[in-house]
Amino acid sequence: EVQLVESGGGLVQPGRSMKLSCAASGFTFNNYDMAWVCQAPKKGLEWVATISYDGSSTYYRDSVKGRFTISRDNAKSTLYLQMDSLRSEDTATYYCARPLYNYGSPFDYWGQGVMVTVSS
Amino acid sequence: DIRMTQSPASLSASLGETVNIECLASEDIYSDLAWYQQKPGKSPQLLIYNANSLQNGVPSRFSGSGSGTQYSLKINSLQSEDVATYFCQQYNNYPYTFGAGTKLELK
Repeated sequence: EVQLVESGGGLVQPGRSMKLSCAASGFTFNNYDMAWVCQAPKKGLEWVATISYDGSSTYYRDSVKGRFTISRDNAKSTLYLQMDSLRSEDTATYYCARPLYNYGSPFDYWGQGVMVTVSS
Repeated sequence: DIRMTQSPASLSASLGETVNIECLASEDIYSDLAWYQQKPGKSPQLLIYNANSLQNGVPSRFSGSGSGTQYSLKINSLQSEDVATYFCQQYNNYPYTFGAGTKLELK
C-alpha cells in the first residue's frame, strides 16, 4: 500500500525557516518524480514544486523560487521541502504528492498534509 | 501561467440527479486535465486524468470529457458520498495550476 507521511510543520515566525519531510513507502520511490502541493485555509490547491526521480531536475512556482528548495534522499525514500524567508502568505497545509507517471502527470497519491502557520 | 476557470463555484443538487462541472483553460492544454475530489479535512483524490480516463477504483458514475481549452466533469446519479469540493488541474505546463473549486452540496 502506497503511503506518504508528512512531518515538520507548525508555527514559525515570518522570515524564519522550516523543513518539511515526507516519508514514502509501498512503492519504488526512486522510480517516481515527487511534488509538494499546498492549500491555504479554506482556499484552493497550489502546486509548489516538483523534483525528478533522480533529483537532477527541480521545478518551482514563481512565488517560492529562491526561497524554497525541494530535495530527496532516495536511500531513505524521503522527500523534503526546505522553506526559507517564510511569509504570512505561505501559511497553508502542505501535501506531498506522487504523480501517476513521470513528467506531465496528475497526482494519484497524496499524504495527509502538514500545516504550516507563518505568524508572529 | 495557464489560468483554469472553474464553474460553478458552488452547486446544490438532489440525490440521483446528474451534475456537470466545467473547467476552461486559458490556452490549449491538449487534454492534460485531471479532476480531483476533496472531502472536508481530507486530501484530494484523483478521479479523472487525461480528460476522460477513470482512475482505478473510482465509481463509473464519474466521467470526464473535453479537449483543447474546455473540459467537464459529469456525475451521474448523485450519491450522498459525492458531497465534496471538486478541482480541475492542468499538467500540460509548469506551473501546474488548479481551478478554484466547485463545492457540491445536497439539496
